[in-house]
Amino acid sequence: EIVLTQSPATLSVSPGERATLSCRASQSVSNYLIWYQQKPGQAPRLLIYDASNRATGIPARFSGSGSGTDFTLTISSLEPEDFAVYYCQQRSNWPPYTFGQGTKLEIK
Amino acid sequence: EVQLVESGGGLVQPGGSLRLSCAASGFTFSNYWMSWVRQAPGKGLEWVANITPDGSDKYYVDSVKGRFTVSRDNAKNSLYLQMNSLRADDTAFYYCAREVTGRGIDPWGQGTLVTVSS
Repeated sequence: EIVLTQSPATLSVSPGERATLSCRASQSVSNYLIWYQQKPGQAPRLLIYDASNRATGIPARFSGSGSGTDFTLTISSLEPEDFAVYYCQQRSNWPPYTFGQGTKLEIK
Repeated sequence: EVQLVESGGGLVQPGGSLRLSCAASGFTFSNYWMSWVRQAPGKGLEWVANITPDGSDKYYVDSVKGRFTVSRDNAKNSLYLQMNSLRADDTAFYYCAREVTGRGIDPWGQGTLVTVSS
């Protein structure tokens, strides 16, 4: 089973600033890495697939990069609605699909 | 608009059973893999099971193998999760979700809460 480790667990950033979130896989997942956003009381929402492709309707301030074992989600200029929990997921080697433990992005 | 609406959650005693349902609309249900993903309150996401478009193949996380069964009825645009021998650590919100080939899980339903407690 592939283990995904996200860092940091909590990230405090001010609105308008850049946020950089990390996801590391225990073995290569090629580019089959996905990012989701989850706001309190809501279901997760697909943000980025195949490491760097924005899902439909996702603003351009969200970008993903990486391949192999190291991946990054960058939010270029934080809007108030971006403060949430972010999860990465791999679809390279399954079952099972596995998720990281999440990074909580909070307002500084 | 694509919609997934779960039902069937509730309080059940350890060792008991529960059947979750998910009603799908707004897309051609029979064309898609479907998944169940769960989230213990305040915790992270855990994929539970998925099923092929025609229902012929099913896959599970090890912790539920032999206890949970995923199924679907394409005529009714519905996905199911039969949960037997429930344990306290099965307590979670259970999300029904569509898999988009080559992309990811999108969208997700709003979830239904299963609580296993005596």
